[in-house]
Amino acid sequence: AQSVAQPEDQVNVAEGNPLTVKCTYSVSGNPYLFWYVQYPNRGLQFLLKYITGDNLVKGSYGFEAEFNKSQTSFHLKKPSALVSDSALYFCAVRDIGGYNFNKFYFGSGTKLNVKP
Amino acid sequence: DVKVTQSSRYLVKRTGEKVFLECVQDMDHENMFWYRQDPGLGLRLIYFSYDVKMKEKGDIPEGYSVSREKKERFSLILESASTNQTSMYLCASTPPDRYIGNTIYFGEGSWLTVV
Repeated sequence: AQSVAQPEDQVNVAEGNPLTVKCTYSVSGNPYLFWYVQYPNRGLQFLLKYITGDNLVKGSYGFEAEFNKSQTSFHLKKPSALVSDSALYFCAVRDIGGYNFNKFYFGSGTKLNVKP
Repeated sequence: DVKVTQSSRYLVKRTGEKVFLECVQDMDHENMFWYRQDPGLGLRLIYFSYDVKMKEKGDIPEGYSVSREKKERFSLILESASTNQTSMYLCASTPPDRYIGNTIYFGEGSWLTVV
């Protein structure tokens, strides 16, 4: 079965510093990986995805993510954090196998706190 | 832009009540989902539907049922609400399966409190 793990419940970073939110995955077959952001009392919004190709993918709001097949990781990064980046971040993997095609599996979420 | 609308954002219901959570999407998506979000547990799939009148159980279907009479509408039903169903419920949809890079689109969520 597909799964993702986000090992950190919370990440604290100062504004202007680089940030990393970690995600590791377990899949059978090729991974199709996504990052989403959730602001308080809102639904999840798509940030970026890795399907194939370049291991470094760029997304919305200056975020990027690095796919590492050998370490089965897909960490979310941003070179310079903003206070407005403070939110809950979810990593997800899409299942494309047979019966479970189109199901998305989400990590437990990481709360990012960016302090001024 | 894709819009997934959950008509009730905040609800308070009593134990034993029947509860309906409604979700409508405006992009003709085949696939629709209901997730439950709890702190520390992430999103857990309750039910999904890949076509009108078709439904499949997700990971935590117990205590829930769903209805999809029209393509754009997917309803979650709590037959007899219990306090352990107090949670944030998220509806989502995805386009047809043809492109594996399709993302999943979420509604704003429905906060349900069962007292």
